[in-house]
Amino acid sequence: GAGVSQSPSNKVTEKGKDVELRCDPISGHTALYWYRQSLGQGLEFLIYFQGNSAPDKSGLPSDRFSAERTGGSVSTLTIQRTQQEDSAVYLCASRIGGTDNEQFFGPGTRLTVL
Amino acid sequence: GENVEQHPSTLSVQEGDSAVIKCTYSDSASNYFPWYKQELGKGPQLIIDIRSNVGEKKDQRIAVTLNKTAKHFSLHITETQPEDSAVYFCAASRNDYKLSFGAGTTVTVRA
Repeated sequence: GAGVSQSPSNKVTEKGKDVELRCDPISGHTALYWYRQSLGQGLEFLIYFQGNSAPDKSGLPSDRFSAERTGGSVSTLTIQRTQQEDSAVYLCASRIGGTDNEQFFGPGTRLTVL
Repeated sequence: GENVEQHPSTLSVQEGDSAVIKCTYSDSASNYFPWYKQELGKGPQLIIDIRSNVGEKKDQRIAVTLNKTAKHFSLHITETQPEDSAVYFCAASRNDYKLSFGAGTTVTVRA
């Protein structure tokens, strides 16, 4: 079946512009995560959605970052007024929920802020 | 919060030899420890995981060991093959849903 998909695969933007990154999780997965992966670094947790519960936003680095998940499926990560330090690969993952821990990752969106 | 340290950052091994990656964690309440493999241009993929009530788990050529007292866990890959070349990440979690990742180890298997 289809895995987690993300779009666009690459995004180049100018400093100060807003960007939207999209994630389509695996159908039926109730949990969805966003991570940031900077060059040579591990995965930095950004935000977590679980069903209809309030999202865990504890990893968002600033108020320029926001995310929403509509209808319990597709999610959009928005970065406003992008800065050069926002350049990274943004990864989305989904999990079926309950006691199953495995997170399935998408291929990521590589964001470059000029 | 949880702090996971991973060593080494790079590892080069001869094909057929073993590779070992070590991680330490800070939160004694962590009870779930997965390992992910990330190939170039792809997202990470779970390869093996272990819970704190188990000391060792093996799946074919890969194994993970956990020492709760010392708060460290390790990934062992035996009989390495070229397709094992990738970046490997360890992670730890106390609540099953939120993972703290190590910085990653780039493994290169030399033919």
